[in-house]
Amino acid sequence: EDKVVQSPLSLVVHEGDTVTLNCSYEVTNFRSLLWYKQEKKAPTFLFMLTSSGIEKKSGRLSSILDKKELFSILNITATQTGDSAVYLCAVEPERGAQKLVFGQGTRLTINP
Amino acid sequence: EAGVAQSPRYKIIEKRQSVAFWCNPISGHATLYWYQQILGQGPKLLIQFQNNGVVDDSQLPKDRFSAERLKGVDSTLKIQPAKLEDSAVYLCASSFLGHTGAEAFFGQGTRLTVV
Repeated sequence: EDKVVQSPLSLVVHEGDTVTLNCSYEVTNFRSLLWYKQEKKAPTFLFMLTSSGIEKKSGRLSSILDKKELFSILNITATQTGDSAVYLCAVEPERGAQKLVFGQGTRLTINP
Repeated sequence: EAGVAQSPRYKIIEKRQSVAFWCNPISGHATLYWYQQILGQGPKLLIQFQNNGVVDDSQLPKDRFSAERLKGVDSTLKIQPAKLEDSAVYLCASSFLGHTGAEAFFGQGTRLTVV
């Protein structure tokens, strides 16, 4: 069974801190790994990773994939209160299936 | 461009009652997904349509859940009868045919509470 596991489940830090969120996966095949931010209900897309070792970056957020060790990390530097959200990791388990398998999410709280 | 529309936004029902959710995908998106997200968990795929055909419904509890997309555009998801454990947010998403799941756009969801 395809599985995606995120850690930690919950994280509370102060504004300005740097955080690292983890995602490990076990899938029969692999096409891509994705990170989403979920503030209220609709997840919004952050990154899609398909190749090992290539960092994707958007402002203070960055992510990298290790296909050998089957994990990814999402880094957020100089955190702001607006970064408070649930961060979801998902894997597209096989070519052509077009579906996503999600992890349970990491709830990040940034205190001022 | 209009996003994925869902209704209602919230619904409270008693157990054993029936409920239906509606989703209108982005215009031109052939693939439509229904996800169930229980509090504290990630979304779980219930059913995936391509046009009006079912691609994957392996995790849909078919004894009580049903979904249809008769004209290949909007879709309804029904629960009959509801159980307490069905309390969750039901998310609809859509994407262009042939595109990866990464390019799916999510609606705001319907929060269902079963009491």
